[in-house]
Amino acid sequence: DTGVSQDPRHKITKRGQNVTFRCDPISEHNRLYWYRQTLGQGPEFLTYFQNEAQLEKSRLLSDRFSAERPKGSFSTLEIQRTEQGDSAMYLCASSYGGTEGEHEQFFGPGTRLTVL
Amino acid sequence: AQRVTQPEKLLSVFKGAPVELKCNYSYSGSPELFWYVQYSRQRLQLLLRHISRESIKGFTADLNKGETSFHLKKPFAQEEDSAMYYCALASMNTGFQKLVFGTGTRLLVSP
Repeated sequence: DTGVSQDPRHKITKRGQNVTFRCDPISEHNRLYWYRQTLGQGPEFLTYFQNEAQLEKSRLLSDRFSAERPKGSFSTLEIQRTEQGDSAMYLCASSYGGTEGEHEQFFGPGTRLTVL
Repeated sequence: AQRVTQPEKLLSVFKGAPVELKCNYSYSGSPELFWYVQYSRQRLQLLLRHISRESIKGFTADLNKGETSFHLKKPFAQEEDSAMYYCALASMNTGFQKLVFGTGTRLLVSP
């Protein structure tokens, strides 16, 4: 297991197109997070899954954004009708959490989205 | 509202000099504080968290609830410490680590 992986690493699209990103977490991790990072800023929380359940979504996640984690394994983040303001690095992180607390979040390399 | 402030965008020091990366936070509950680091062309990774009270790569950070600070310190900087450093907090009450990050400080250690 080489850690959290994300695909694609780079995506260039035209405004109005739909895009989908994939995240493969570390296999035994039950928690998965999506963050967005724009230039000069730290990562911002978008959404959180525990197993297959999406338990929290940020208000940053407009109706054009949807995330899934079928079967509690990989996750996808889809952006419909992309806008130039969606250009950012999209980061995925996974961790193991239980009754004793949550362990370290491991981050993926990110998907850099450019909307023309 | 939860907020993390890192006042310095860039900190430039010479090798062997002491380093202090500042982090202040705003949170009304019981936060958990973290420092993450991103080396050139690498992914974001955890450096340390306050509940562990560890020293990692010579770095330490002490949570000061009175001053709402979690500054990162190292007595003697090394060139390999050059990286982007992010301070982050998470609520201990939500049951999961929804991290709130600062804007980051780039540390540049010159020979």
